[in-house]
Amino acid sequence: DAGITQSPRHKVTETGTPVTLRCHQTENHRYMYWYRQDPGHGLRLIHYSYGVKDTDKGEVSDGYSVSRSKTEDFLLTLESATSSQTSVYFCAISGIKEEKLFFGSGTQLSVL
Amino acid sequence: QKEVEQDPGPLSVPEGAIVSLNCTYSNSAFQYFMWYRQYSRKGPELLMYTYSSGNKEDGRFTAQVDKSSKYISLFIRDSQPSDSATYLCAIHGGSQGNLIFGKGTKLSVKP
Repeated sequence: DAGITQSPRHKVTETGTPVTLRCHQTENHRYMYWYRQDPGHGLRLIHYSYGVKDTDKGEVSDGYSVSRSKTEDFLLTLESATSSQTSVYFCAISGIKEEKLFFGSGTQLSVL
Repeated sequence: QKEVEQDPGPLSVPEGAIVSLNCTYSNSAFQYFMWYRQYSRKGPELLMYTYSSGNKEDGRFTAQVDKSSKYISLFIRDSQPSDSATYLCAIHGGSQGNLIFGKGTKLSVKP
């Protein structure tokens, strides 16, 4: 998966607990993205980063925060998980052009 | 109207068939057009990328863009069981964070 590692691969948590998902890349790409994929909605952008400490919101950013302290790591945090955040989360990276994305294998998150 | 529309299928074809997958879009400002393939329980992988009207061919795959009709297609010739996957169209408006995915079409190629 183009040098992208997502962790954990699966997680079950309870409503109201904080959750952090990690994306690690070895490609030294500038841009990193977090997407969620849900039946009937497809892939939707949560947040993205265009450099260390530079992040911006995507289409569905409410309830999520991100941090990027190093080029290789992009963290997605659910401050207080809700059942509506049950989803498959994908990290993606790109070099110069956003449209050529490389995706990780995904994290299946279940919020009970 | 959704910005990108894609028939979710599922689509089932016999091995060797020609497959046609399609998306329509609403914003004429979109500039870049992509197709991603996603196998079950995997992340999407880029299959085809184009930024102009016309055809682009790569092996058994042909991507077609008609900007006047706001219509993009992916053709798969001599389809194989290994082509069974969900195919996502994606369209980019040119500015960062402006990549929109279709919901995907699930394709099954039967031996």
